Amino acid sequence: DTGVSQNPRHKITKRGQNVTFRCDPISEHNRLYWYRQTLGQGPEFLTYFQNEAQLEKSRLLSDRFSAERPKGSFSTLEIQRTEQGDSAMYLCASSLQGFSNQPQHFGDGTRLSIL
Amino acid sequence: AQTVTQSQPEMSVQEAETVTLSCTYDTSESDYYLFWYKQPPSRQMILVIRQEAYKQQNATENRFSVNFQKAAKSFSLKISDSQLGDAAMYFCAYRSGSKAGGGADGLTFGKGTHLIIQP
Repeated sequence: DTGVSQNPRHKITKRGQNVTFRCDPISEHNRLYWYRQTLGQGPEFLTYFQNEAQLEKSRLLSDRFSAERPKGSFSTLEIQRTEQGDSAMYLCASSLQGFSNQPQHFGDGTRLSIL
Repeated sequence: AQTVTQSQPEMSVQEAETVTLSCTYDTSESDYYLFWYKQPPSRQMILVIRQEAYKQQNATENRFSVNFQKAAKSFSLKISDSQLGDAAMYFCAYRSGSKAGGGADGLTFGKGTHLIIQP
């Protein structure tokens, strides 16, 4: 059973650099979510895709953030001109369309550290 | 906007004992879903249990059960016969059920409760 896969696991970069994360959802899941989790907090919703369409974006997703899911399969999250405050764990989750109580399955996350 | 509050930053329980984790939420919606997720150290978030707001019966999954009080907007998690493997951060989460197409909002999480199991 292949779960949600995220790469890389860790990313260390200098302030001002661009970074890109990848998420591969569970294969039959057509919904994909991105969350950000800072130390001592619960995850915060960033954005959501249904197939290739980005249907919802949180106000947390500033214009430096962009997410894509070009073919409705894997997704990328790019952060441009990184800032210290971007240091966090970025979590991806996927779920199956059909019923609202379908659980979201989470990946291990990508931990971003800004120097 | 919905909010989820977990008022216990940390809880400790003896192995084999029972512990209850608290969660309250604020919403004006009548249709929604509630979840408890477990996040072990450096490991992925795992669903523990879920509850549909329209169901009066409390959900149960083996040693895990919830006490869902809709009027009080309370959703506590009871863990019976606590085991060492239950040690983790536990997050309560809310999801809207009101949108067309089946409640497509992302989850709103509380800040979590760190559960310690004493051997």
